[in-house]
Amino acid sequence: DAGITQSPRHKVTETGTPVTLRCHQTENHRYMYWYRQDPGHGLRLIHYSYGVKDTDKGEVSDGYSVSRSKTEDFLLTLESATSSQTSVYFCAISENDNYGYTFGSGTRLTVV
Amino acid sequence: GQNIDQPTEMTATEGAIVQINCTYQTSGFNGLFWYQQHAGEAPTFLSYNVLDGLEEKGRFSSFLSRSKGYSYLLLKELQMKDSASYLCAGLDSNYQLIWGAGTKLIIKP
Repeated sequence: DAGITQSPRHKVTETGTPVTLRCHQTENHRYMYWYRQDPGHGLRLIHYSYGVKDTDKGEVSDGYSVSRSKTEDFLLTLESATSSQTSVYFCAISENDNYGYTFGSGTRLTVV
Repeated sequence: GQNIDQPTEMTATEGAIVQINCTYQTSGFNGLFWYQQHAGEAPTFLSYNVLDGLEEKGRFSSFLSRSKGYSYLLLKELQMKDSASYLCAGLDSNYQLIWGAGTKLIIKP
């Protein structure tokens, strides 16, 4: 979507390696979120941020860390990738905590 | 616990009307969202309801009953491009979105 981009779009990595996914926004929105989406599950929140250097855990945060050093960038790191982290990862932004979210195009990550 | 329930899959005919139901249980309630997601794409915002009643936006309408913990999305004059998954999400007291697994809508000619 215009105003939010994710990179890379696709990645294949080996078990045990660290992986970083990037989310970049040009909307100057305060809130940024990382979700994973798996078949049969709703979107599940990994981590979110409510400002520069202000982050908090979501429901499935184990094995993931995040950083937000600038308003526009929110990084998700898989510290040591496992096959259970194979998923589609979506970043989302929101102007306020009760506004609709705008999602990025997603990153399809495969851990082999 | 918190939970959002919606049917896994529905089938409808082009030009017809379809109603996708969603029931929710959240810790507190600050509104209900509907999103559309085409296969391989990102979810896109459709509607937000926080008060009881029907909100209409062109061919799409969304209804909320807070007392029943129930919402539905109504799609009229179905078009082939409406084939997608429809995601229901409730906003809890901490302003966290709780997502349903989505309803895959198949439109047949």
